[in-house]
Amino acid sequence: DQQVKQNSPSLSVQEGRISILNCDYTNSMFDYFLWYKKYPAEGPTFLISISSIKDKNEDGRFTVFLNKSAKHLSLHIVPSQPGDSAVYFCAATRTARSNTGNQFYFGTGTSLTVIP
Amino acid sequence: EAGVTQFPSHSVIEKGQTVTLRCDPISGHDNLYWYRRVMGKEIKFLLHFVKESKQDESGMPNNRFLAERTGGTYSTLKVQPAELEDSGVYFCASSQITGASYGYTFGSGTRLTVV
Repeated sequence: DQQVKQNSPSLSVQEGRISILNCDYTNSMFDYFLWYKKYPAEGPTFLISISSIKDKNEDGRFTVFLNKSAKHLSLHIVPSQPGDSAVYFCAATRTARSNTGNQFYFGTGTSLTVIP
Repeated sequence: EAGVTQFPSHSVIEKGQTVTLRCDPISGHDNLYWYRRVMGKEIKFLLHFVKESKQDESGMPNNRFLAERTGGTYSTLKVQPAELEDSGVYFCASSQITGASYGYTFGSGTRLTVV
């Protein structure tokens, strides 16, 4: 049973425009959300995160928005650059369980292509 | 600092054979995780070590999978005997802090193909 879903397997955007990647989750106990970026033949790399006590977190060109009532988060990249072309994974975790570590639940990924 | 290192990067084995994957975490990282991605699907949790102890192995598919972490340093994941459905990319990740919501550092993965 997949608890984190990314329903768009791919997205193409013109360079300079905004990229919006979406993610939905089902488990209301999740309280921390992350986006990872993955290039071919490499492991995922951490991009940006957000706690459930916030609804927005910004880091340079990357902004993550969280809508808890809708159990939805999105990643905005603006302006998009060709180097942003990669697979983006949404992940969620529940941090309240201290001393047990954090199992992350990942989505299936969205492949972003930024066209020069 | 050196990143998380996994080897081999690729492995092709026949059904019924044994394969051992290795992960060297970032030095000093007590937490080590194994994840797997079957083609086109999500990255799924397998298990979590804190030092040499298995903290959570709820994601291990069945008893054909055996993970160890000798002396709390590197870890191995053995699949014996391998089945076709075990094909996928196996990622190892490590982190320094337990119980905190920090992103892990992932290795580049081992692509396992069972034929």
